[in-house]
Amino acid sequence: QKEVEQDPGPLSVPEGAIVSLNCTYSNSAFQYFMWYRQYSRKGPELLMYTYSSGNKEDGRFTAQVDKSSKYISLFIRDSQPSDSATYLCAGSATGGGADGLTFGKGTHLIIQP
Amino acid sequence: GAVVSQHPSRVICKSGTSVKIECRSLDFQATTMFWYRQFPKQSLMLMATSNEGSKATYEQGVEKDKFLINHASLTLSTLTVTSAHPEDSSFYICSADTAGPNYEQYFGPGTRLTVT
Repeated sequence: QKEVEQDPGPLSVPEGAIVSLNCTYSNSAFQYFMWYRQYSRKGPELLMYTYSSGNKEDGRFTAQVDKSSKYISLFIRDSQPSDSATYLCAGSATGGGADGLTFGKGTHLIIQP
Repeated sequence: GAVVSQHPSRVICKSGTSVKIECRSLDFQATTMFWYRQFPKQSLMLMATSNEGSKATYEQGVEKDKFLINHASLTLSTLTVTSAHPEDSSFYICSADTAGPNYEQYFGPGTRLTVT
């Protein structure tokens, strides 16, 4: 069983729609959760990070973590064509750079103009 | 801030040769850097953790003698793929930890390695 599961998509939605991206994880030790955006042939770009359970909002992006169900989500409001990319969720057991991240496969998102 | 660069961005080499990839943190010092590998349509897989001034820690299944990592300074880590083979062709990405109050890793743009 992979530690982080993510539907690869593609997920296609019309411009302006609310996008919901989700991951599940199996490692109970994970405390830190991140969402990265990756454009084709580029390195991932950090979008959101959260610690433990709860919500975090940054502009059009909202990250949610539910540790009881081992479920993490990223919501994108007012989606734009420029949001079209692959979104990777990741988890980690420790902060401070003590370990690397465990990534999901990524969800390919397409925002239709 | 928090910019990570990699060089080269793309390299093609012949089977049996060695290739060195550099990862630099441009505007911060990184005690810890990480090396990942990403195959097409696959997730990023952690290869090793690189700590300045000490030996790298390799993930299970990653050959340390094949993937040599040197973290010479707080802003530079290098990955050398020795005796490269076509199956080593992949997208190699490094990341650096800012060691700030929030757990943030910033990634380089990646290096596309093609072994012919």
